[in-house]
Amino acid sequence: EIQLQESGPGLVKPSQSLSLTCSVTGYTITSGYDWSWIRKFPGNKMEWMGYISNSGSTNYNPSLKIRISITRDTSKNQFFLQLNSVTTEDTATYYCARLDWELGDYFDYWGQGVMVTVSS
Amino acid sequence: ETTVTQSPASLSMAVGEKVSISCKTSTDIDDDMNWYQQKSGEAPKLLISEGNTLRPGVPSRFSSSGYGTDFVFTINNVLLGDEGIYYCQQSDNVPYTFGAGTKLELK
Repeated sequence: EIQLQESGPGLVKPSQSLSLTCSVTGYTITSGYDWSWIRKFPGNKMEWMGYISNSGSTNYNPSLKIRISITRDTSKNQFFLQLNSVTTEDTATYYCARLDWELGDYFDYWGQGVMVTVSS
Repeated sequence: ETTVTQSPASLSMAVGEKVSISCKTSTDIDDDMNWYQQKSGEAPKLLISEGNTLRPGVPSRFSSSGYGTDFVFTINNVLLGDEGIYYCQQSDNVPYTFGAGTKLELK
């Protein structure tokens, strides 16, 4: 069974960087598909942030392009989110998800999410 | 970027009723629309994928229709366990974008 699990600090200070890890079990991230970060703001708005492909290429939401980096550690079957220069507007629940592109593009497996608050 | 306008923002329904949720897109996306259910405290769950395709294991009470810019998600005979927030999401172009969500409450 494919499972994704986010981890990272729940509190980040403004202007600092937010760093999260997504650990994947049941599937090797280099075998296929794309691996995404998605966030849900208070008030329920959802935003796709970007993905890293099975080959290691990345694609980011233009709204975040200058602040975001998604990387991976294939030896640990993990991928990571780094968001720089955070503000209170980045307070959200962050999800990692698999993007299945074989028969279309859709997010078919999700982690449980990690709530991150940006506050001094 | 394709904007997705979802309505209504909330619904209060009785068990057994029919639920309809609308999503309209600012660009033509063919049938590249996905629908998710998120129950309180849980991860979103994919119910219907592109081409109005019901995902394995999802009850046939759930369905969707639409093509181009207008899409409708339907729950027939809604049950108590269907409470949650429903999202549409376009997958025609990047950045992928979501509707604002519809909160479904059962009376």
